[in-house]
Amino acid sequence: KAGVTQTPRYLIKTRGQQVTLSCSPISGHRSVSWYQQTPGQGLQFLFEYFSETQRNKGNFPGRFSGRQFSNSRSEMNVSTLELGDSALYLCASSLEGQSNQPQHFGDGTRLSIL
Amino acid sequence: AQKITQTQPGMFVQEKEAVTLDCTYDTSDPSYGLFWYKQPSSGEMIFLIYQGSYDQQNATEGRYSLNFQKARKSANLVISASQLGDSAMYFCAMREAYTGGGNKLTFGTGTQLKVEL
Repeated sequence: KAGVTQTPRYLIKTRGQQVTLSCSPISGHRSVSWYQQTPGQGLQFLFEYFSETQRNKGNFPGRFSGRQFSNSRSEMNVSTLELGDSALYLCASSLEGQSNQPQHFGDGTRLSIL
Repeated sequence: AQKITQTQPGMFVQEKEAVTLDCTYDTSDPSYGLFWYKQPSSGEMIFLIYQGSYDQQNATEGRYSLNFQKARKSANLVISASQLGDSAMYFCAMREAYTGGGNKLTFGTGTQLKVEL
């Protein structure tokens, strides 16, 4: 069974640009969550999508947005990039219905802002 | 207040020894789950073990066990017979059924474990 796939693995952008990151969950998983990991702030929850609807949102500015498609694949968009957006962005998927279901993470997209 | 506290930024352990990584949590939710993840230097997050707030017994998964003390709000990870491949960052995380909702995980700051020969 294929794991969570994130593309691209690495990305370099400049300030002011926008970026779109992609996440394909494990087959059958309908919940997709996004996290930002930085040395200073650690792992922070961005948002979660379930059945194409945003179910939960972290404390990030509106420049961070996402969406989920009918096949459960998700994209995350960051507009007007800032230096502080340099981070590892992790996507996780999970099954629904049982509280003990872990989130399975992808390898992440490492975003560098110049 | 921090929801998940990991007080050990770094730990060293000899190969084949056992090691305990500390995690305390803070929640008013009656229903919650606690997770441990391992993150090698390559970056991927690997799920290790889960403990539910209503579980009566401590969780075990191979060489990993979770020392769950609900009254003290602690969920320490015990790794038995450490191996060189266990060297990584370890994160404790919590999912709250009502406060957080959905599958939102709140993570601690992590403990960097180094296994030595």
